[in-house]
Amino acid sequence: KNQVEQSPQSLIILEGKNCTLQCNYTVSPFSNLRWYKQDTGRGPVSLTIMTFSENTKSNGRYTATLDADTKQSSLHITASQLSDSASYICVVSAWDNAGKSTFGDGTTLTVKP
Amino acid sequence: ETGVTQTPRHLVMGMTNKKSLKCEQHLGHNAMYWYKQSAKKPLELMFVYSLEERVENNSVPSRFSPECPNSSHLFLHLHTLQPEDSALYLCASSQDITDHNEQFFGPGTRLTVL
Repeated sequence: KNQVEQSPQSLIILEGKNCTLQCNYTVSPFSNLRWYKQDTGRGPVSLTIMTFSENTKSNGRYTATLDADTKQSSLHITASQLSDSASYICVVSAWDNAGKSTFGDGTTLTVKP
Repeated sequence: ETGVTQTPRHLVMGMTNKKSLKCEQHLGHNAMYWYKQSAKKPLELMFVYSLEERVENNSVPSRFSPECPNSSHLFLHLHTLQPEDSALYLCASSQDITDHNEQFFGPGTRLTVL
């Protein structure tokens, strides 16, 4: 069964600090992995997408890594801002599951001043 | 803005009411999706449409009835809902349903069933 597990479930950090969110998956055959940011009461917005051959992808202060061998990904946020407070969702797609991606539960990040 | 709009943004309805959620995408995409997001749960895929044809119905109760009149519009018709159906309903679209296409999400409709 395809699964995506994220950790931690929630995280509180001070403004300006860095943090790393984790995503482990068992989706197979692997196609791509996306990180989404979802503000409260809004739809998810894509941050990064990585395929099998990509190890790192950056989007401003967001850097995602992928280890396809261990089936792990991380999202590193640098110099956090109050606006980073949101839920971060890891989504993994398989080659043979067109239109159906596996979503993680998300990590809720709170950045405090 | 992601190019996907949803109306209404908030909806409160009784269990005997009939209402409809509307989604419109301005991206020229061929695939559209309905998701349900309950508190502290991952997104649950409900329906997938490709070129106006339903290609996935993920064991959704019949009180939820989707309609896709054209590739730009998607509706979710609601009738005799239960309080546990209260959730954020998200619409998404993608170029097509192949796995590498990014899905663009709308802002969602916050539904409360009394």
